[in-house]
Amino acid sequence: ETGVTQSPTHLIKTRGQQVTLRCSSQSGHNTVSWYQQALGQGPQFIFQYYREEENGRGNFPPRFSGLQFPNYSSELNVNALELDDSALYLCASSSDPLGNTIYFGEGSWLTVV
Amino acid sequence: QQQVKQSPQSLIVQKGGISIINCAYENTAFDYFPWYQQFPGKGPALLIAIRPDVSEKKEGRFTISFNKSAKQFSLHIMDSQPGDSATYFCAASNDYKLSFGAGTTVTVRA
Repeated sequence: ETGVTQSPTHLIKTRGQQVTLRCSSQSGHNTVSWYQQALGQGPQFIFQYYREEENGRGNFPPRFSGLQFPNYSSELNVNALELDDSALYLCASSSDPLGNTIYFGEGSWLTVV
Repeated sequence: QQQVKQSPQSLIVQKGGISIINCAYENTAFDYFPWYQQFPGKGPALLIAIRPDVSEKKEGRFTISFNKSAKQFSLHIMDSQPGDSATYFCAASNDYKLSFGAGTTVTVRA
């Protein structure tokens, strides 16, 4: 158990819809990152949040956005869903932005039909 | 462009055998190299990690070997057990993000 919890665990959305995924970070961790893992591939970095601001971003379009709250929990929002957005979305927490010890949650499986 | 290349894609080992997974990188700014273990339907779990100033790190049956000049690192799983059957990912980090390899599916046969 990493202490990183995500919800929902599974969901199905229709192309063009919007989705919000939620994450509670491990106690004491103030930094949250989101990763996308397509089937059979390694996770890809989406962005990181620290002190409620985006602290770095991977190669994902602006329709991927996020929030971090004062209690360090976080949301990932994806607008205008596309079929290729179907993936496992992983939340990861660490003790600081450069904290290399990164712990992942179980993920949210998103299927876009 | 994948920054960390991992091989093999899959491997089968007998119980008690040694599993070896190799990774290579190009970005010399990477300063932290973790390995993650992932079971089907689960998130990646941190297994063991190394920094480039160390050539080898061992934790239980898992050992990382690191060759800075060759920009390569590997995971050795000694005395492989059926419970080790999983997908293993190497990764590399600089600043705030992890770059992952494509993964190796390890199957341990009893």
